Amino acid sequence: DGGITQSPKYLFRKEGQNVTLSCEQNLNHDAMYWYRQDPGQGLRLIYYSQIVNDFQKGDIAEGYSVSREKKESFPLTVTSAQKNPTAFYLCASSIDRLGQPLHFGDGTRLSIL
Amino acid sequence: GESVGLHLPTLSVQEGDNSIINCAYSNSASDYFIWYKQESGKGPQFIIDIRSNMDKRQGQRVTVLLNKTVKHLSLQIAATQPGDSAVYFCAENIRGGSYIPTFGRGTSLIVHP
Repeated sequence: DGGITQSPKYLFRKEGQNVTLSCEQNLNHDAMYWYRQDPGQGLRLIYYSQIVNDFQKGDIAEGYSVSREKKESFPLTVTSAQKNPTAFYLCASSIDRLGQPLHFGDGTRLSIL
Repeated sequence: GESVGLHLPTLSVQEGDNSIINCAYSNSASDYFIWYKQESGKGPQFIIDIRSNMDKRQGQRVTVLLNKTVKHLSLQIAATQPGDSAVYFCAENIRGGSYIPTFGRGTSLIVHP
């Protein structure tokens, strides 16, 4: 079955630590996205990538970093500079950048120890 | 409509009733709109989409209406079932070089048996 896999489902971060969230897709989609969701809030865009080896900042990129070395993978690193990292992180992909629905993974819930 | 703080707008209906979920979008340059359903602990799933050259589109038990004059979108669910209980998001995509979806805060639909 094609889809998007996010891992781990739950992640805990210590103060001052960087953590990396994995996102893999086998849909052969060009575009991939990372969103952050806080309780009672909509989805806010962190980073997106429309092609391999290229990515752009979204609305709340500070304290996060990404890479897109392979078409199927778009990992997100939450750095120690992100002072309020506790949230639900959602990865998504779409066929291309020309207005198509997003396919989402089932998210990673990040908490601070 | 919008609410303050962490509480999502909530719509409570009885099983079998029709549900209408509303969404106001902000940008007159938006020309592609999508409704997503998010169940607890999962990523959003695509329900239905509509482009700005249409004002109505129907799917299975769902209808989306678009009023560009007042920048308003609605999702109608016929014969609502308990399995429809979820948070529903509308997303607008702005016409331009890249279609980056922007999400609303969402509406929580509660269906009572």
